[in-house]
Amino acid sequence: AQSVTQLDSHVSVSEGTPVLLRCNYSSSYSPSLFWYVQHPNKGLQLLLKYTSAATLVKGINGFEAEFKKSETSFHLTKPSAHMSDAAEYFCVVSVWAGNTPLVFGKGTRLSVIA
Amino acid sequence: GAVVSQHPSRVICKSGTSVKIECRSLDFQATTMFWYRQFPKKSLMLMATSNEGSKATYEQGVEKDKFLINHASLTLSTLTVTSAHPEDSSFYICSASLAKTSTDTQYFGPGTRLTVL
Repeated sequence: AQSVTQLDSHVSVSEGTPVLLRCNYSSSYSPSLFWYVQHPNKGLQLLLKYTSAATLVKGINGFEAEFKKSETSFHLTKPSAHMSDAAEYFCVVSVWAGNTPLVFGKGTRLSVIA
Repeated sequence: GAVVSQHPSRVICKSGTSVKIECRSLDFQATTMFWYRQFPKKSLMLMATSNEGSKATYEQGVEKDKFLINHASLTLSTLTVTSAHPEDSSFYICSASLAKTSTDTQYFGPGTRLTVL
């Protein structure tokens, strides 16, 4: 079975400072890992995905994540936060990205302070 | 990129009525669609997996007679909430997958907010 733990329910950063959203996963097989962002009253947008290629994955809007098998982690980072980054972020795991359900973490709410 | 739409985006209905939500893959054929439910300030909970032309597979605890899922074509799946009650009020989100390879991404619809009075 797969599971994912987002270590922080809420992260608050100042505009222009780095962002770190932490995620640990558990999977019996080689996982596919994703980060999705959800702005208030909006649908989910894919930020980036890892599917057994390069361990450092670059996504949209300056976000990136590094897959560390030894630590079972897939933390999301961004060098400099922007006000528009304020949203809910979900770390997601799946054995097979296509035809199997995605397992969502509980989400991390990112606040960006001016 | 692949686009998934949902209709309606928002619906308000009276208790006891039924509501149908459509999920469409606009520019690709989706062999599998998924229906999720999201409670306020909570994560997404998978309700069911829908394959074209076959019965949906429901997750434990989800009433299949209450949440009817039909996947009539490779581009359309519908979720019907029957005899809706206030506790069914929620944000319902579908996703669709190309599923040609194991690395294919699932694409999410924008969600439907259901309010049952």
